[in-house]
Amino acid sequence: GENVEQHPSTLSVQEGDSAVIKCTYSDSASNYFPWYKQELGKRPQLIIDIRSNVGEKKDQRIAVTLNKTAKHFSLHITETQPEDSAVYFCAASPNAGGTSYGKLTFGQGTILTVHP
Amino acid sequence: GAVVSQHPSRVICKSGTSVKIECRSLDFQATTMFWYRQFPKQSLMLMATSNEGSKATYEQGVEKDKFLINHASLTLSTLTVTSAHPEDSSFYICSVKTAINEKLFFGSGTQLSVL
Repeated sequence: GENVEQHPSTLSVQEGDSAVIKCTYSDSASNYFPWYKQELGKRPQLIIDIRSNVGEKKDQRIAVTLNKTAKHFSLHITETQPEDSAVYFCAASPNAGGTSYGKLTFGQGTILTVHP
Repeated sequence: GAVVSQHPSRVICKSGTSVKIECRSLDFQATTMFWYRQFPKQSLMLMATSNEGSKATYEQGVEKDKFLINHASLTLSTLTVTSAHPEDSSFYICSVKTAINEKLFFGSGTQLSVL
């Protein structure tokens, strides 16, 4: 099955700095890669996602890059703010459009702390 | 986005009792729902895939007789934790795949504490 590794486990930055979180995956059949932000006791919130037919996607201060050959993808947050502090999870899902789509394998999570 | 309702949000029960958790899609039909479990400070782990009108598919290591899943309609899936024990204490959360555009939406989660 799929295995997703996420690094770092904790990340501390100063407000205004950039934050980068990296993930690798093992299953070449995975072709959908979402990133979630989760606050304590709450549901994961989708912040950005990317499909394997593109290499980069950006939404304001958040961007995701995908290297399908190397099987890794990264989350980039620029101009970080204290309210960005949360746990971030990457995930991978196989076969968008297929019956297995939606079965997410999550990374271990990154605790991001943005200091004012 | 779609609305996925999950109840209860928090439950405390005695060891040996059974607990039912509901996951309901409020504004769309969901042919497939997924159940995840998240222990404190850990990641979300897929437990099972729930398909409307058929038996759930369980991930390796998940006991199907302990975690009963019923997906009797296109808007409701239930997870019953039978004979709960303290080690079952966890955050249980469902996600729903829409039939139309394949977007995924999470329920609000259920914090189960077994005493």
